[in-house]
Amino acid sequence: EAGVTQSPTHLIKTRGQQATLRCSPISGHTSVYWYQQALGLGLQFLLWYDEGEERNRGNFPPRFSGRQFPNYSSELNVNALELEDSALYLCASSLYGQPQHFGDGTRLSIL
Amino acid sequence: DQQVKQNSPSLSVQEGRISILNCDYTNSMFDYFLWYKKYPAEGPTFLISISSIKDKNEDGRFTVFLNKSAKHLSLHIVPSQPGDSAVYFCAASVISNFGNEKLTFGTGTRLTIIP
Repeated sequence: EAGVTQSPTHLIKTRGQQATLRCSPISGHTSVYWYQQALGLGLQFLLWYDEGEERNRGNFPPRFSGRQFPNYSSELNVNALELEDSALYLCASSLYGQPQHFGDGTRLSIL
Repeated sequence: DQQVKQNSPSLSVQEGRISILNCDYTNSMFDYFLWYKKYPAEGPTFLISISSIKDKNEDGRFTVFLNKSAKHLSLHIVPSQPGDSAVYFCAASVISNFGNEKLTFGTGTRLTIIP
């Protein structure tokens, strides 16, 4: 069974640009979650999508947004990039009541 | 407000002995708890979970204990193996009508198994 896949592995942008990160969940999983791990900080919850709907979002500004497609894949968009957005962005998927399983992340670097 | 705390940043254990990792939480609404292992440059790998209706769950060498009155959980690894060297995160969530709400993570404990 294929795990959660994320693309790209690395992404380099400059301040003010926009970034798009993609996630394919484990087959059959309907929920997708996004987390940020900035340097020196822990894993922080960003967004939760289930059945195409945004169910919850963490304490992040509105320039962090995303969506979930009918095939349950998801993308995370970050607009007006700032230096502090440099981080590892992790995607996870799960079924109802089951553990979340993570991909290996996208490393976003802002120059 | 750190709702999930791992007070030991690091732990060293001799190969073959028991490793005990601890985690405390403050939010009494949490009803599902998980442990993840993380290697550098990889995403967290799910190890074991426990629902708040249980106080123990075992899976092979891994056992998780939950003490709801103390708001404390622990992960026991027996016997410890060199491949267990990694950073371990505990996490907690609430299960709502739509499924697992967000995971709230502790800050991690770096476990080193000494051969």
